[in-house]
Amino acid sequence: EVQLVQSGAEVKKPGESLKISCKGSGYTFTSYWIGWVRQMPGKGLEWMGIIYPGDSDTRYSPSFQGQVTISADKSISTACLQWSSLKASDTAMYYCARLLSRDGYNLAFDIWGQGTLVTVSS
Amino acid sequence: EIVMTQSPATLSVSRGERATLSCRASRSISRNLAWYQQKPGQAPRLLIYGASTRATGIPARFSGSGSETEFTLTISSLQSEDFAVYYCQQYNNWPPAYTFGQGTKLEIK
Repeated sequence: EVQLVQSGAEVKKPGESLKISCKGSGYTFTSYWIGWVRQMPGKGLEWMGIIYPGDSDTRYSPSFQGQVTISADKSISTACLQWSSLKASDTAMYYCARLLSRDGYNLAFDIWGQGTLVTVSS
Repeated sequence: EIVMTQSPATLSVSRGERATLSCRASRSISRNLAWYQQKPGQAPRLLIYGASTRATGIPARFSGSGSETEFTLTISSLQSEDFAVYYCQQYNNWPPAYTFGQGTKLEIK
């Protein structure tokens, strides 16, 4: 079964750092882009960025460039999203998702992780 | 930056009836459009990509249409499990962009 399994919920204080993860299985992890999507409480979906685990090529949404870092370790089929200094406004559910690809063209996010809830509060 | 606008924000429809959800792009995106369904407490699920291609395992009552700037998701004969929030998303490889609309909540009338 193709799946993405994310790390568990986190509760952090403003200014702290954090790294959450997304482990792929059931497919060739290095052959598909992985994206991260934010969903703030009661709000819609926002694309944050994507990474190609095969060579760690990374692209960020302009809205999130410089705010987060996306990385991947292909040896353990895991992609990560990290913050160096959290803010209360980073409180949200974060999803990783695999990009469906056809003929070398990236399409939509076809497989989603279960989400990681990040709460930032003093 | 392309802006995706969905309408209506909320749609009330009875079971067994047809629902039509709209999505508009601020400029042409050809057919690079996907639809997702999200139920409370769950991750989104891909329904449609390429404006009209159903994803694996998606029932035939879900259909997508449109091109350029105007797109529609139609759900024929609504089932109880179809009441959820639906998002459209445009995708582009270069520059990379995977922008979502703000969502349409489909509720039981």
